[in-house]
Amino acid sequence: DTAVSQTPKYLVTQMGNDKSIKCEQNLGHDTMYWYKQDSKKFLKIMFSYNNKELIINETVPNRFSPKSPDKAHLNLHINSLELGDSAVYFCASSQDYLAGEETQYFGPGTRLLVL
Amino acid sequence: AQTVTQSQPEMSVQEAETVTLSCTYDTSESNYYLFWYKQPPSRQMILVIRQEAYKQQNATENRFSVNFQKAAKSFSLKISDSQLGDTAMYFCASGSGYALNFGKGTSLLVTP
Repeated sequence: DTAVSQTPKYLVTQMGNDKSIKCEQNLGHDTMYWYKQDSKKFLKIMFSYNNKELIINETVPNRFSPKSPDKAHLNLHINSLELGDSAVYFCASSQDYLAGEETQYFGPGTRLLVL
Repeated sequence: AQTVTQSQPEMSVQEAETVTLSCTYDTSESNYYLFWYKQPPSRQMILVIRQEAYKQQNATENRFSVNFQKAAKSFSLKISDSQLGDTAMYFCASGSGYALNFGKGTSLLVTP
């Protein structure tokens, strides 16, 4: 059973398009995240959600809009894609931080290529 | 803000040997956690080991162990009896609450 899943795994699209990446976790976790890994492999937090509420938005352009329909899902919608958006996007989840459990479990990543 | 520094961009080790990956961090938090993640060519992020900052005892997981020096803010990873499957990028990360802060990674190559 996949704990954290993402779809699609690969996404190739043209500049200016709008695309979405879906994430689901079956671990019963309350907190979910989106990270971006750039071409130099550097991983940086984009968003954190706890119980469907936005906790962190790390100066991400407002072309990126996360949506959490329930606490098992955190989708990422990107408008007006730019070349610089090309990266690998990782979804992750962890138990509610208030319980002191900090380990994050990652999805397989979505490689986005903007042409 | 938390920063994590990995000073070794690339390392190599022969199979069955031991290798140590360095990591230093800076945080103003009193309660935090430290992690090593492995990213093989498949790009999956895999948790290797974690350490709670309030625990003095160094964490171990089979062939993987850490040397946690809280005063020095150092958190190195030791891999014993290296195996070909250990070839991967290794990321050190610190966490306190809502997000992990990652270092830039160390690319480890295990050679026969």
